[in-house]
Amino acid sequence: QQQVKQSPQSLIVQKGGISIINCAYENTAFDYFPWYQQFPGKGPALLIAIRPDVSEKKEGRFTISFNKSAKQFSLHIMDSQPGDSATYFCAASSPQGGSEKLVFGKGTKLTVNP
Amino acid sequence: DTGVSQNPRHKITKRGQNVTFRCDPISEHNRLYWYRQTLGQGPEFLTYFQNEAQLEKSRLLSDRFSAERPKGSFSTLEIQRTEQGDSAMYLCASSSGQSAWNYGYTFGSGTRLTVV
Repeated sequence: QQQVKQSPQSLIVQKGGISIINCAYENTAFDYFPWYQQFPGKGPALLIAIRPDVSEKKEGRFTISFNKSAKQFSLHIMDSQPGDSATYFCAASSPQGGSEKLVFGKGTKLTVNP
Repeated sequence: DTGVSQNPRHKITKRGQNVTFRCDPISEHNRLYWYRQTLGQGPEFLTYFQNEAQLEKSRLLSDRFSAERPKGSFSTLEIQRTEQGDSAMYLCASSSGQSAWNYGYTFGSGTRLTVV
């Protein structure tokens, strides 16, 4: 049972465009929603994270939008750059509920063309 | 380098052999996690330590898998009687509890296991 569903599987965007990746979750106990960025041959690195008490969080060109009632959250990358080309994973966990494990989506391979 | 260090980076082994991987977390981090990532998939949780105590284990962690974190510092993950289905990237991550909220885990670059 996949607890975090991510789409699209791949995404091609022109430089300067907006990249949007969506995730949906099932477990209402989740209370921490991070996005990770992974380059080939490297481990994932935290990009931005949100808790369910806010509907949006912005850090530079990266924004998370969170819809608690729909159990959905998304990553928006504004002014996408070729250096943003990587695989992006959404994830969820319930640390307040005592579980430290992250449940990851299957990933979105983003390609930003120059 | 103060990041999470994993050794070896690559391991090729024959089916049925035992393998052991090592993870050195960031020194001030008391929490350590092991994940497995197969091609085209997100990382899957295997196990979690707080200091030397193993607090959570996934059902993915069959009896052929064992993890230890003696003295709450480095950790080892051993796979006995390897199978071809064990071929994957094994990722280690660490955090310092509250910092996980703000900074997330810090992942290492992983150990890529190939079972032939």
